Amino acid sequence: AQKITQTQPGMFVQEKEAVTLDCTYDTSDPSYGLFWYKQPSSGEMIFLIYQGSYDQQNATEGRYSLNFQKARKSANLVISASQLGDSAMYFCAMREGTRQAGTALIFGKGTTLSVSS
Amino acid sequence: DAGVIQSPRHEVTEMGQEVTLRCKPISGHDYLFWYRQTMMRGLELLIYFNNNVPIDDSGMPEDRFSAKMPNASFSTLKIQPSEPRDSAVYFCASSLEGYYGYTFGSGTRLTVV
Repeated sequence: AQKITQTQPGMFVQEKEAVTLDCTYDTSDPSYGLFWYKQPSSGEMIFLIYQGSYDQQNATEGRYSLNFQKARKSANLVISASQLGDSAMYFCAMREGTRQAGTALIFGKGTTLSVSS
Repeated sequence: DAGVIQSPRHEVTEMGQEVTLRCKPISGHDYLFWYRQTMMRGLELLIYFNNNVPIDDSGMPEDRFSAKMPNASFSTLKIQPSEPRDSAVYFCASSLEGYYGYTFGSGTRLTVV
């Protein structure tokens, strides 16, 4: 079974609108971390936002926020006020376990976001 | 901080040749990860090291793949012999115990013809 599921292969949004990229995860470990990365056409992996399983509040980083619904095992990324430069592939990822950096990230298949003017 | 440095950025090689990909992690980081990205399989973990010691190599596809980390500032991923199905982007990432972040290199795009 997939540990990270991103069901939207592609999303389209107009500039200045908000967009939500879906991510669901599967783990039996009570301690885990959830990440979102952006991969523009140039290919690099850019870290956007992190949410720990014990964090009480949803993470926010500038225009990015993570809608964390623990009971539903979902960690959707919300991008407010989309910009043309947001066009990219977006990956949701999870790290399991209590050690913060000691396990590898498991990635979803990604969602391609296209922002139009 | 120069970030995670990978070389070469692009590699084109003929089937059967040996290929060596290189990675320099961020200074002080004690974990190093090698990932492979393809359209079909997405981002897959190949192997990761902690303090230069391989911890999990279950993602290495077959014996043609090998990885080493002779010291804290250098790692290699070697494919011998290479095959067309090895064509992919190979990423190296590093992280630090106690910090949740993982920093990726720019990747090496490998094409085996």
